[in-house]
Amino acid sequence: QQQVKQSPQSLIVQKGGISIINCAYENTAFDYFPWYQQFPGKGPALLIAIRPDVSEKKEGRFTISFNKSAKQFSLHIMDSQPGDSATYFCAASHISNSGYALNFGKGTSLLVTP
Amino acid sequence: NAGVTQTPKFRVLKTGQSMTLLCAQDMNHEYMYWYRQDPGMGLRLIHYSVGEGTTAKGEVPDGYNVSRLKKQNFLLGLESAAPSQTSVYFCASSYSRGFLNTEAFFGQGTRLTVV
Repeated sequence: QQQVKQSPQSLIVQKGGISIINCAYENTAFDYFPWYQQFPGKGPALLIAIRPDVSEKKEGRFTISFNKSAKQFSLHIMDSQPGDSATYFCAASHISNSGYALNFGKGTSLLVTP
Repeated sequence: NAGVTQTPKFRVLKTGQSMTLLCAQDMNHEYMYWYRQDPGMGLRLIHYSVGEGTTAKGEVPDGYNVSRLKKQNFLLGLESAAPSQTSVYFCASSYSRGFLNTEAFFGQGTRLTVV
């Protein structure tokens, strides 16, 4: 059963626009919520991560918004660029769950058009 | 500093053949993981290890075995390959800081086709 649900499955945004990807989880024990970026033929790489004691974290053009009561978190990419075109995965983990193993969403394929 | 290295990068197997995928990390990480990635399914955990000499089953362990004889290496074995095991396999490693988990580093993947 999918412990982290991600939407949308695919997203097309114009250059300069805002990309928004949403995730929801059920396990309230999760205490680490990273986003991974994956380019074709490459392994996933950490983009940004948040812990549940804060509601927002920003790194450059990338922001995570976290809503603990709703058990939801989202990734916002401001001023989206063609180089941001990739697959994005949200994930969640906790030490009690398979040794910190990440539970991934199914991924969002982002295309930023020029 | 190579990070996480997977060998081989590509492989084609016939149904019933066996093979071993090797993962090596040079970051002295305690935790290591094997995931498989299939279209539209995200990454699913096959097996994991919380330290040298220990392994445990993940979400989709059937048809796979693993071993962690050395801290830096994590091997994934397929004893009798099936077409359903056609996938891209990723190894990852991480460490904990106290009871908090930290970034997981992924290898470049192994693309396996079983015909």
